Amino acid sequence: GQNIDQPTEMTATEGAIVQINCTYQTSGFNGLFWYQQHAGEAPTFLSYNVLDGLEEKGRFSSFLSRSKGYSYLLLKELQMKDSASYLCAVRDYPHNQGGKLIFGQGTELSVKP
Amino acid sequence: GAGVSQSPSNKVTEKGKDVELRCDPISGHTALYWYRQSLGQGLEFLIYFQGNSAPDKSGLPSDRFSAERTGGSVSTLTIQRTQQEDSAVYLCASSLVPRRASSTNEQFFGPGTRLTVL
Repeated sequence: GQNIDQPTEMTATEGAIVQINCTYQTSGFNGLFWYQQHAGEAPTFLSYNVLDGLEEKGRFSSFLSRSKGYSYLLLKELQMKDSASYLCAVRDYPHNQGGKLIFGQGTELSVKP
Repeated sequence: GAGVSQSPSNKVTEKGKDVELRCDPISGHTALYWYRQSLGQGLEFLIYFQGNSAPDKSGLPSDRFSAERTGGSVSTLTIQRTQQEDSAVYLCASSLVPRRASSTNEQFFGPGTRLTVL
């Protein structure tokens, strides 16, 4: 079966660091994505990992361990505007076939002053 | 540049009626996807189009759901005889087709159509 798990809710303080974990068990794996979704808006792309290790992009970093079926999204220097839902998704198809995404339920992050 | 657009943004219908939802992908994107996001649920894959290949319909929940993509661009998702459990936000996304596994080729999402079945 296909299963992607992430915490439902997290709360953090402005200026702090927060780590959102994601574990997956899927029949195929062709990359893992993190998306940000503000309430009532479309998901927007944050990061992509296909090889083990850390990818850094400004205040956001994402880590992948394929052997453990595990990823995390790290957000530094939190800002109020970071309050949103963070979606972990695994690309199922081989890359040359496009690839549908299998999503977790999303982690609702609340940033408090 | 123009992103993925969807229409209508909101649709309220009565149980048993048919509805059509439209998606205009980003120009040049050959891959087009439909997802559904129900309240409190993650995004659920519905259907995928890639060029002239047969679509992947494996995510369609019942035969009341169908979709087509004309001319390799615009797509329409049709729900026949709508039921209350069809109420959700229907999201369309498009992407390039990755040439390599290391290519990101992320999916770009439209704003969605919020469907309410009374």
